[in-house]
Amino acid sequence: QSVLTQPPSASGTPGQRVTISCSGSSSNIGSATVNWYQQLPGTAPKLLIYTNNQRPSGVPDRFSGSKSGTSASLAISGLQSEDEAAYYCAAWDDSLNGWVFGGGTKLTVL
Amino acid sequence: QLQLVQSGAEVKKPGASVKVSCKASGYTFTDYYMHWVRQAPGQGLEWMGRINPNSGGTNYAQKFQGRVTMTRDTSISTAYMEVSGLRSDDTAVYYCARQLGAPWGQGTLVTVSS
Repeated sequence: QSVLTQPPSASGTPGQRVTISCSGSSSNIGSATVNWYQQLPGTAPKLLIYTNNQRPSGVPDRFSGSKSGTSASLAISGLQSEDEAAYYCAAWDDSLNGWVFGGGTKLTVL
Repeated sequence: QLQLVQSGAEVKKPGASVKVSCKASGYTFTDYYMHWVRQAPGQGLEWMGRINPNSGGTNYAQKFQGRVTMTRDTSISTAYMEVSGLRSDDTAVYYCARQLGAPWGQGTLVTVSS
């Protein structure tokens, strides 16, 4: 059972906009910033969004992040086949004194 | 270029220990925390802990306290993560990651089997 809660799966068709949610509590998302990671099959995770809504250099602006209260969301617009991957949220947890991850969301592009 | 290169796959028996290395290049090793994350087969990501390469100070996830040791050798820009008392459920790919941002290592598969 992950500390941060994500839906196990999401799907969309090419060109569509999809959102992935990440629910936490006051000890993590409510008091810390959120990172999002993309993991393509068989590869290491890649940082997609940091500090709630910042994109590292090279990440397309089709990816955006937001945070409100104890929840965060990742939005992907103009969905492409290469976006098919697992997506994870993460945040620092003050109670656990460590980072926590969501369980991951497997995105399927139909 | 920025790079983390991890040691190769390991097969260990239950009760044994394993030590995984992570060699950094392309940046000042002591300027960024090094984190360790593992992923069991078909499962999600699990944060294990981090080390401050400058001071050697560590933070471990509660689950791994007493069983995991993170160290570093600044002379060769390498971080290490050792797990003792291996169990079958420690079978996983172990990643190092600079500041939990970029880059990540390529992963090291540790298989625990009798």
